[in-house]
Amino acid sequence: DIQMTQSPSSLSASVGDRVTMTCQASQDITTSLNWYQQKPGEAPKLLIYDASNLERGVPSRFSGSGSGTDFTFTISGLQPEDFATYYCQQYGNLRPITFGPGTKVDIK
Amino acid sequence: QVHLTQSGAEVKKPGASVKISCKTSGYTFTSYGLSWVRQAPGQGLEWIGWINAYNVNTKYAPELQDRVTLTTDTSTDTGYMEIRSLRSDDTAVYFCARVRLRYDSVTGYYPCCFDYWGQGSQVIVSS
Repeated sequence: DIQMTQSPSSLSASVGDRVTMTCQASQDITTSLNWYQQKPGEAPKLLIYDASNLERGVPSRFSGSGSGTDFTFTISGLQPEDFATYYCQQYGNLRPITFGPGTKVDIK
Repeated sequence: QVHLTQSGAEVKKPGASVKISCKTSGYTFTSYGLSWVRQAPGQGLEWIGWINAYNVNTKYAPELQDRVTLTTDTSTDTGYMEIRSLRSDDTAVYFCARVRLRYDSVTGYYPCCFDYWGQGSQVIVSS
């Protein structure tokens, strides 16, 4: 199975900050990588699919990049509603889906 | 509007089984898949498996495939997940999610992204 790692595991930031986190796959997954946001007590929400495509209705301050094994997720101008945990998830034909362990963004 | 509505909380004893439902609406059920994801208390997301609602092909996480069965009922646009031989570490919130599909000309459809989610169903396994 493909293992996913995320860093950092948590970070503290202020409203308006630019926030960046990374996700690494244990083998090449091309651009088969999605990003989700989860707030406490809620279901996850799809933000970015195929590494860099913004899901419909998601604010443009969220972005993703990368391919192969290394991926980056950025929030440009953190808003109060963005304090949450962010998960990456890989997918592919004929292999199990796996999630990263998450990056928690909290208020500095 | 797309909605996924899950059944309520369950409390089960070790060794028992549980079956959770996921009633969908607002889209063509057989044009997507359904996946199940769980989250133990204070932990991250764990993928359980997915089912193609059109041809009912399934794929499960290796560590759960002996105990989990996913099914669908196209007459009610509902998906089901059953876990057998419950253990205390199966205590979690279980989510269903609509799955957008990708197509491979050799192997067929496979899951991509989970774009709509149910509200979650709490399962507690305790003696």
